[in-house]
Amino acid sequence: AQTVTQSQPEMSVQEAETVTLSCTYDTSESDYYLFWYKQPPSRQMILVIRQEAYKQQNATENRFSVNFQKAAKSFSLKISDSQLGDAAMYFCALSGGYQKVTFGIGTKLQVIP
Amino acid sequence: DSGVTQTPKHLITATGQRVTLRCSPRSGDLSVYWYQQSLDQGLQFLIQYYNGEERAKGNILERFSAQQFPDLHSELNLSSLELGDSALYFCASSEILKGGGELFFGEGSRLTVL
Repeated sequence: AQTVTQSQPEMSVQEAETVTLSCTYDTSESDYYLFWYKQPPSRQMILVIRQEAYKQQNATENRFSVNFQKAAKSFSLKISDSQLGDAAMYFCALSGGYQKVTFGIGTKLQVIP
Repeated sequence: DSGVTQTPKHLITATGQRVTLRCSPRSGDLSVYWYQQSLDQGLQFLIQYYNGEERAKGNILERFSAQQFPDLHSELNLSSLELGDSALYFCASSEILKGGGELFFGEGSRLTVL
């Protein structure tokens, strides 16, 4: 079985500041992938960033980066220079082997002008 | 636009009724996933199909069933509906079976059971 835990139901950040969303996971797979998905008010889920567990280097996509701590089974998302359009629900997700993609319960991010 | 099409976008029905939600995956994607998103809950995995075959099952109720057709579109059938079935139902597709591929989501079908 695989689990994903997001312990921050809501977060807020001032525009242009940096915020970090936390995620921990558990899996018995040695080969797995981690994701952060964004769900804006329009409700369509969009992939933000993806990390292969075998890669030690943290993934980066423009203002979005992750801190992947494999031993600690931690996968946090850092958003730099926050923008109003970043306001959304953010879901951490895990996929291993042929297993389904498991999602956390999400963190609602509010961006304050 | 993710390329995944879900219909209907909104559906209001009564308890005890049956509804069918439809999903057309992104062109070329063989994997289709169904998720349920209830208020204050994350995405609960229901079921996955790959090229017409059921590949994984989550906490899908016996009142719910799904299938993937030869043209790869999928349908999720919900029967004997209860108030608690009110939720947003997402379909997602992926080009591969094994984990690691990006999921492309539709806009969801919001089901309201009165």
